[in-house]
Amino acid sequence: EVQLTQSGAEVKKPGASVKISCKVSGYSFSDYYMYWVRQAPGRGLEWMGLLDPKDGETTYAEKFQGRVTITADTSTDTTYMELSSLRSEDTAIYYCARNHDYQNPHLDYWGQGTLVTVSS
Amino acid sequence: QSVLTQPPSTSGTPGQRVTISCSGSSSNIGSNYVYWYQQLPGAAPKLLIYTNNERPSGVPDRFSGSKSGTSASLAISGLRSEDEAIYYCAAWDDSLSGHVVFGGGTKLTVL
Repeated sequence: EVQLTQSGAEVKKPGASVKISCKVSGYSFSDYYMYWVRQAPGRGLEWMGLLDPKDGETTYAEKFQGRVTITADTSTDTTYMELSSLRSEDTAIYYCARNHDYQNPHLDYWGQGTLVTVSS
Repeated sequence: QSVLTQPPSTSGTPGQRVTISCSGSSSNIGSNYVYWYQQLPGAAPKLLIYTNNERPSGVPDRFSGSKSGTSASLAISGLRSEDEAIYYCAAWDDSLSGHVVFGGGTKLTVL
C-alpha cells in the first residue's frame, strides 16, 4: 500500500525556518516525482515546487524562489521541504504528493498534511 | 487571484447532474492536460480526473472531465450527498519557467 507520512504540526515565530518531512512507503521512491503543495486556512491549493528523487533536481514556484528548499534522502525514502524567513502568511497546511510526471500535476497519492502556524 | 478561474460555488439536488467550469489560457489549459481534485472537509485532496478525462481506479464513472480550447469542465451525474466537497482544477503552465496552477476551487453543496 502506497503511503506518504508527514511530520507533525509546527509552530514557528516570524523569521524562523521550518523543515517538514514526508516518508514514503509501498513503492520505489526514485520512480516518481515529489510535489509540495500548500493550503492556507480557508484558501485554495498553491504549488510550491517539485523534486526528482533520482538526481535531486528541483523546480520551485517563482513565488518561493530563495525561500524554499526541497531535498530527498534516498536511504530513508524521505523528502523534505524547508521554508525560511517565515511570515504570518505562511500559516498553512503543507502537503507532499507523489507525481507520475515531471510537469503535469498527476498527484495520485498525498500525505496527510502538516499544519505550520507562524505566530509571534 | 488564481490563474485558473472556477465558480466559487455550485449546488444540486440528489440525482441531478452538475458541471463545474475551469477557465484558463493558452499557456496552461490550452497547451497542457487538465486535472481535477476533490477535497472533502479536513482531508487531503484526492485525484478525480487526470489527462483531461481519465478516471483513476476507484473513481465512479459518475465523474467525467472534458476540455475544449482554454477551458475545461468537470461533470458529476447522479449527484450524491457524499459528493459535497470542494473541487479544484489544475494544469501545468508554460509561462515563466513553468509551474503548476490551480483553480480557486468550487464548493459543491448537495441540497
